[in-house]
Amino acid sequence: GAGVSQSPRYKVAKRGQDVALRCDPISGHVSLFWYQQALGQGPEFLTYFQNEAQLDKSGLPSDRFFAERPEGSVSTLKIQRTQQEDSAVYLCASSFSTDTQYFGPGTRLTVL
Amino acid sequence: QKEVEQNSGPLSVPEGAIASLNCTYSDRVSQSFFWYRQYSGKSPELIMSIYSNGDKEDGRFTAQLNKASQYVSLLIRDSQPSDSATYLCAVKNNRLAFGKGNQVVVIP
Repeated sequence: GAGVSQSPRYKVAKRGQDVALRCDPISGHVSLFWYQQALGQGPEFLTYFQNEAQLDKSGLPSDRFFAERPEGSVSTLKIQRTQQEDSAVYLCASSFSTDTQYFGPGTRLTVL
Repeated sequence: QKEVEQNSGPLSVPEGAIASLNCTYSDRVSQSFFWYRQYSGKSPELIMSIYSNGDKEDGRFTAQLNKASQYVSLLIRDSQPSDSATYLCAVKNNRLAFGKGNQVVVIP
């Protein structure tokens, strides 16, 4: 079946712009995770949803980062007033439980 | 101390040899452990999960877990050029915590 999909795959933003990153999880997966991966580093946890409920947002680096999953399926990660340090690959993963996570291809965000 | 440590630098191994990767973690109550492979420019792909002490083998991959010493390792036997990638160790408590990864280069 279809895997996790993310769009856009690449996004270039000018500093101060708002961006929205989309994740379509595997059908039927109740758990959805967002990660930020800087160059040469492992993914860093941002936030976690179980269905539509955001159960953990402790990894969001600032109040400029906001995530939602209103119908328990598609999720959007929004970054307001982007800064250069926000440049990274943003990975979405989904899971039927909370154990084995399947990753999407990621969105590479570059903030100029 | 980071939750998950992978301190080795890039590992170069000749084709056919064994590649050995190590990972330590800080939280003693961790119960689930994973190895992901990540090719350059791609997303992480799960290759092994291990939950209890000892060895777990899957094809050319063997994961080893020692909870008392808080380390997890991955052995890749008969290394192939297609194994050249970054290998990420991940440990699950409330969330999945990743190490920074170890790059493996298999030399034909």
